[in-house]
Amino acid sequence: EDKVVQSPLSLVVHEGDTVTLNCSYEVTNFRSLLWYKQEKKAPTFLFMLTSSGIEKKSGRLSSILDKKELFSILNITATQTGDSAVYLCAGNNDMRFGAGTRLTVKP
Amino acid sequence: GAGVSQTPSNKVTEKGKYVELRCDPISGHTALYWYRQSLGQGPEFLIYFQGTGAADDSGLPNDRFFAVRPEGSVSTLKIQRTERGDSAVYLCASSLTWEGEQFFGPGTRLTVL
Repeated sequence: EDKVVQSPLSLVVHEGDTVTLNCSYEVTNFRSLLWYKQEKKAPTFLFMLTSSGIEKKSGRLSSILDKKELFSILNITATQTGDSAVYLCAGNNDMRFGAGTRLTVKP
Repeated sequence: GAGVSQTPSNKVTEKGKYVELRCDPISGHTALYWYRQSLGQGPEFLIYFQGTGAADDSGLPNDRFFAVRPEGSVSTLKIQRTERGDSAVYLCASSLTWEGEQFFGPGTRLTVL
């Protein structure tokens, strides 16, 4: 059965810290891995990863995929309180989401 | 332009009743997804439409759940004989193509008493 596992489940850091969020996946007919940020209701898209070893960056966020080891990481550098959210990853062929990592950034 | 919209934003119903949840995708998006999210969990895939047809309905939990998209735009998720366990936030998302970035609506919070 397909599954996506995220770790840690929750994380508390202070502003300025760097964090690494993990996502491992077992997805049949894997096509891509997606990262989302969910603050209140709707998840907002961060990254779509399809190729191994190619880092995608957006400001202080970056992500990379390892298709051999079946995992992805999301890095956030110089964290800010506005980064506090649940970060979700999803394995696509069937958009299976992990349970998320709840990140809390304290001032 | 307008994003994905969902109505109602909140729905409270009694056990055994029928409910309909509506999703208006972004104009021109051919792919439409329904998810269910319980507290503390990631979204759970329910069904995916490509145009008017359900390309994958493997996530629907049982035959009380049904969804339609008759004209390839607006979609309605229908739940018959609701149960308390159906209480969740129901999210809809659309994308230009089935592999494209999904844009989520704000969700409908369904509470079954």
